[in-house]
Amino acid sequence: EAGVAQSPRYKIIEKRQSVAFWCNPISGHATLYWYQQILGQGPKLLIQFQNNGVVDDSQLPKDRFSAERLKGVDSTLKIQPAKLEDSAVYLCASSPRTGYYGYTFGSGTRLTVV
Amino acid sequence: AQSVAQPEDQVNVAEGNPLTVKCTYSVSGNPYLFWYVQYPNRGLQFLLKYITGDNLVKGSYGFEAEFNKSQTSFHLKKPSALVSDSALYFCAVRPYSGNTPLVFGKGTRLSVIA
Repeated sequence: EAGVAQSPRYKIIEKRQSVAFWCNPISGHATLYWYQQILGQGPKLLIQFQNNGVVDDSQLPKDRFSAERLKGVDSTLKIQPAKLEDSAVYLCASSPRTGYYGYTFGSGTRLTVV
Repeated sequence: AQSVAQPEDQVNVAEGNPLTVKCTYSVSGNPYLFWYVQYPNRGLQFLLKYITGDNLVKGSYGFEAEFNKSQTSFHLKKPSALVSDSALYFCAVRPYSGNTPLVFGKGTRLSVIA
């Protein structure tokens, strides 16, 4: 089966600019996760979707971050405006259903804010 | 809330020697426990998991981990390290029941020296 696809792989932007990341999960996977991995730290959950609904966005900085999963398939994570501290790898993962133990991760998008 | 501690930022081991990467966890109820590996510029790759049953679980690339409920630990082990095992290793946990997503440790960098 095809894996979790993410694009772009790398992005460099200036602070206060906006940026968007795209994720295509494994076909049929109902649950989708966005994690932020800052250098030297473990991944931290930003948002969890079940189909096209949000299950948990308690750690999403909603003043600048937004995410959507239209039609319950692809997802887009946006940052506007970006800050220097947003420099990180943004990882997308999917699983067959909420509560299922197995996640499959994409390769991630490395964002550098200068 | 669940948490994971990986007490070592870096583990160095000679090729051919056994390796151990430590992980302790905190979670309400029974845990699902995972080890992931991350190579440079790559996403997280699943190594092994503990769901239930035998406390010693075997995973990919010759790795294994032992679940110890009394010590709330899930240390990753390999009998004979390879240079190609050099990477960043993450331990993760979530409760056995419910929809809570994975929480990751900060990671341990393993360096295997030829």
